[in-house]
Amino acid sequence: EAGVAQSPRYKIIEKRQSVAFWCNPISGHATLYWYQQILGQGPKLLIQFQNNGVVDDSQLPKDRFSAERLKGVDSTLKIQPAKLEDSAVYLCASSRLRGGFTDTQYFGPGTRLTVL
Amino acid sequence: KQEVTQIPAALSVPEGENLVLNCSFTDSAIYNLQWFRQDPGKGLTSLLLIQSSQREQTSGRLNASLDKSSGRSTLYIAASQPGDSATYLCAATGNQFYFGTGTSLTVIP
Repeated sequence: EAGVAQSPRYKIIEKRQSVAFWCNPISGHATLYWYQQILGQGPKLLIQFQNNGVVDDSQLPKDRFSAERLKGVDSTLKIQPAKLEDSAVYLCASSRLRGGFTDTQYFGPGTRLTVL
Repeated sequence: KQEVTQIPAALSVPEGENLVLNCSFTDSAIYNLQWFRQDPGKGLTSLLLIQSSQREQTSGRLNASLDKSSGRSTLYIAASQPGDSATYLCAATGNQFYFGTGTSLTVIP
């Protein structure tokens, strides 16, 4: 089966600009996650969708970050305006929903964002 | 809030050696514990997932154990190879996913 797709792979912007990332999960996976991974740290969950509903967005900086998952399939994550500290790799992952608990997560290759 | 710690932060071993990576978590109320591998510039690859009711999982040369009562998990890699060089991350699943900071492994030929 095809894996999780993300685009773009790399993005360089200046602070205060806007940027958007796209993710297409594995077909049939109900749950989709966006993570932020700063260099030298583990991934931090930003938002979790189940189908097209938000399950958890407690760590999403809502003043500048937004995410949507229309039709319960692919998703976009937007940053507006970007700050220097937003430089990180943004990872998208998906998993099946089984028994009410999450299954194995499958990750995309990530988008490396550099904010100058 | 769940805190996940991985020790050591970096490890270098000669090829063929058996090794153990450690992961500890503060809240034992987890659904599962998952081990991932991350290669430079790439996403994460799931290695093993241990449900909270299980004690261990095995896949090839990898064996992961889980002790919820002590808040610990270990990843055992047998007969290490240069291709095992990567960063290994553990993640504890409770109300959300909490990742450790990883152990960077280098296997020297």
